[in-house]
Amino acid sequence: EPEVTQTPSHQVTQMGQEVILRCVPISNHLYFYWYRQILGQKVEFLVSFYNNEISEKSEIFDDQFSVERPDGSNFTLKIRSTKLEDSAMYFCASGVGGELFFGEGSRLTVL
Amino acid sequence: AQKITQTQPGMFVQEKEAVTLDCTYDTSDPSYGLFWYKQPSSGEMIFLIYQGSYDQQNATEGRYSLNFQKARKSANLVISASQLGDSAMYFCAMREGRGTGRRALTFGSGTRLQVQP
Repeated sequence: EPEVTQTPSHQVTQMGQEVILRCVPISNHLYFYWYRQILGQKVEFLVSFYNNEISEKSEIFDDQFSVERPDGSNFTLKIRSTKLEDSAMYFCASGVGGELFFGEGSRLTVL
Repeated sequence: AQKITQTQPGMFVQEKEAVTLDCTYDTSDPSYGLFWYKQPSSGEMIFLIYQGSYDQQNATEGRYSLNFQKARKSANLVISASQLGDSAMYFCAMREGRGTGRRALTFGSGTRLQVQP
């Protein structure tokens, strides 16, 4: 069964460093998303991407964040200068029509 | 106001019994979708079931069914014949608006289900 894949599964970084989280969505899906979940808290929406551009973003998705779909298969989230409060599980998701499928997540730890 | 409310922070159920996880939602949009996800301790988010606001019948997927009561704005998840592997956090989520494929989901705070042998 096709699935959304994310790398790395866990990344530890120093505050102020840049981080790139990678995702390969399900191949025939049209909509791509990043969500995050701080430990023990709700899943929060960051950004959605459709037709090679951002279609919606939340207040969390400020200038330190960016997304790209560089080659038609990968979908990346870049955090330019990480802060301690960026420590969270980051989920990529993709969908077509009603259903939405998540990857297994990338756990980011900022020290 | 909370868009998705899950009032049960934790639930216990005996193996092989059925359990209902509550979810109420708040929207003024006539077009929306409701989702349930399972998050085991390993952290991944597993899609369980989807119900569209215009769907005439309640959604079912194997042992999962969604008890959709539109007038009450509730979308409870029913798990039949619970198994030990069902122990996990369960999230209800909603997506609003027509042409909703690209819209964001809003999640509830989750219910932790523990299945006891």
